[in-house]
Amino acid sequence: DAGVIQSPRHEVTEMGQEVTLRCKPISGHNSLFWYRQTMMRGLELLIYFNNNVPIDDSGMPEDRFSAKMPNASFSTLKIQPSEPRDSAVYFCASSLATGPSNQPQHFGDGTRLSIL
Amino acid sequence: AQKVTQAQTEISVVEKEDVTLDCVYETRDTTYYLFWYKQPPSGELVFLIRRNSFDEQNEISGRYSWNFQKSTSSFNFTITASQVVDSAVYFCALSEQGSGGSNYKLTFGKGTLLTVNP
Repeated sequence: DAGVIQSPRHEVTEMGQEVTLRCKPISGHNSLFWYRQTMMRGLELLIYFNNNVPIDDSGMPEDRFSAKMPNASFSTLKIQPSEPRDSAVYFCASSLATGPSNQPQHFGDGTRLSIL
Repeated sequence: AQKVTQAQTEISVVEKEDVTLDCVYETRDTTYYLFWYKQPPSGELVFLIRRNSFDEQNEISGRYSWNFQKSTSSFNFTITASQVVDSAVYFCALSEQGSGGSNYKLTFGKGTLLTVNP
């Protein structure tokens, strides 16, 4: 079975450029999550979608970050304009939510983002 | 606020030794879930186990075992007869009910780097 698929695996770009990270969740999962991992702050939840609708975006750092989920099989996380402090590993995860209970989140391989 | 503490930042063992990774949590929720994830050097996050707060039975899966003790708010992870391939960062996590209403919100510990030497 295919897991969560993220692209690209690595991205190096210059400050001020727009960055788009992509995610395909596991088929049949109705919840999707974007996380950021840094040495200083560890793993942080950025945004949570349920049935393609953003439910909790309280972790999105600032207006430069935006996320969309146009359909059940695709999501993007965009940073515009990018800054060096955005350098991190960005993970996408998906799970099956049934009522108040969420099944375990399964993570993609991550995108290692470096902003020069 | 929820909190997950993994006091061991790094552990180094020799192959075939048993090793226990500690996890202590704090929560005000009565219903919650605990998780362990593995992050090998290649960087991906691999789900290992989920336990709910009402199930304190210990669990064994091959060389892995988990000890959940609600009385001490601990969810420890033991690897028996460790192998070099077990070398990774291991994260303990706790789910809480987020603003969206379900228990989706994971709070991760800082992780324990386990190095198994041949």
